[in-house]
Amino acid sequence: KAGVTQTPRYLIKTRGQQVTLSCSPISGHRSVSWYQQTPGQGLQFLFEYFSETQRNKGNFPGRFSGRQFSNSRSEMNVSTLELGDSALYLCASSTQGRAFFGQGTRLTVV
Amino acid sequence: AQSVTQLGSHVSVSEGALVLLRCNYSSSVPPYLFWYVQYPNQGLQLLLKYTTGATLVKGINGFEAEFKKSETSFHLTKPSAHMSDAAEYFCAVSDLRESNYQLIWGAGTKLIIKP
Repeated sequence: KAGVTQTPRYLIKTRGQQVTLSCSPISGHRSVSWYQQTPGQGLQFLFEYFSETQRNKGNFPGRFSGRQFSNSRSEMNVSTLELGDSALYLCASSTQGRAFFGQGTRLTVV
Repeated sequence: AQSVTQLGSHVSVSEGALVLLRCNYSSSVPPYLFWYVQYPNQGLQLLLKYTTGATLVKGINGFEAEFKKSETSFHLTKPSAHMSDAAEYFCAVSDLRESNYQLIWGAGTKLIIKP
């Protein structure tokens, strides 16, 4: 089985722009979660989607949003980028509580 | 509410020495417990997990962890450290009874291996 695929791997954006990150989960996994990882804050939960519905949401501003499609692929969008949004964004698809992670998208906001 | 505490943001051991990474959790229900490892510029990989049954769990790369309910702990150990073990390690807890695949994460511990 193919693993979790995140695209792109690296991204550089300017403050004020918006960005969309993509995650393709492992085939058959219906749960997709997104995490932000920074040196200062560690691994923080953004949101989780299950069967196209947002089931859980972390403590992030409304600039961070996501969606899940009928094939379980998920996208995460960040609008009006800020310097502090620079981070590694990880996606995980889950089954029975076990999360399988993609390699992440490294977003740099300049 | 569940929470996870990892003691020590950095742990340094000599090559060949015992590795001990500490994890304590709080949960109102029997938890499912996980250790994940993250190598530089990579996503996280599952090292081992405890769900039910035997409390001593063996994982990949020679790591093991023991679930101690009385101490609410799930410490990760490896008898002899190798340079390739240098990475960041995350402990996580999940409550599957909520049909909720959200994992609650510890802050992570960076393992440094001295030659």
